[in-house]
Amino acid sequence: QAVVTQEPSLTVSPGGTVTLTCGSSTGAVTSGHYPYWFQQKPGQAPRTLIYDTSNKHSWTPARFSGSLLGGKAALTLSGAQPEDEAEYYCLLTYSDPERVFGGGTKLSVL
Amino acid sequence: EVQLVESGGGLVQPGRSLRLSCTGSGFTFGDFAVSWFRQAPGKGLEWVGFIRTKGYDGTTEYAASVRGRFTMSRDDSKSIAYLQLNSLKTEDTAVYYCSRRFPLGELWFFDYWGQGTLVTVSS
Repeated sequence: QAVVTQEPSLTVSPGGTVTLTCGSSTGAVTSGHYPYWFQQKPGQAPRTLIYDTSNKHSWTPARFSGSLLGGKAALTLSGAQPEDEAEYYCLLTYSDPERVFGGGTKLSVL
Repeated sequence: EVQLVESGGGLVQPGRSLRLSCTGSGFTFGDFAVSWFRQAPGKGLEWVGFIRTKGYDGTTEYAASVRGRFTMSRDDSKSIAYLQLNSLKTEDTAVYYCSRRFPLGELWFFDYWGQGTLVTVSS
């Protein structure tokens, strides 16, 4: 099974910009992996922020954006807010139906 | 308002079975596929599988870690999806979540999640 890698932790200042990445052990992440990004706060269920690389749901704050960057999927947060402090998980699709999560990135806003 | 509510979790002994439910409201349940995920205490998320709509024969797909032990089904008349957990192992201890999959062209994507139900496998 493929391994999906994320930064274990990142810190961003309030109002700052940070990019989380999602890599694959099989090579470059492409649009064919249909990357997702989920946000999970302590004690809460995950929430889908981004699907299919860059698409947002109606509840996704505009300050979040998804892209492909340097062979990885990327989640960029521009103008971080204290409420953005959470764990962020990416999910990649491999040979359907296999789906693999990354280990998560704990984002601190300090 | 779209809602998904999981239920049926609890404490169960190794080797026993449990059935989880995912009840949807605020949308036409039969028009959407349903996925299941789990999260062991203090750990990351794991995809468990999904069940397609009746339009796709309600077929199912499972992660290798649960294939042959877990079975998904659905009753659209009740707006419920089920996850039958058999031959449970201690490593199946986790919060189990369901999520809705909506169609976008030929593809399906996750959107709403339930709040989860805790399954504890222990003697």
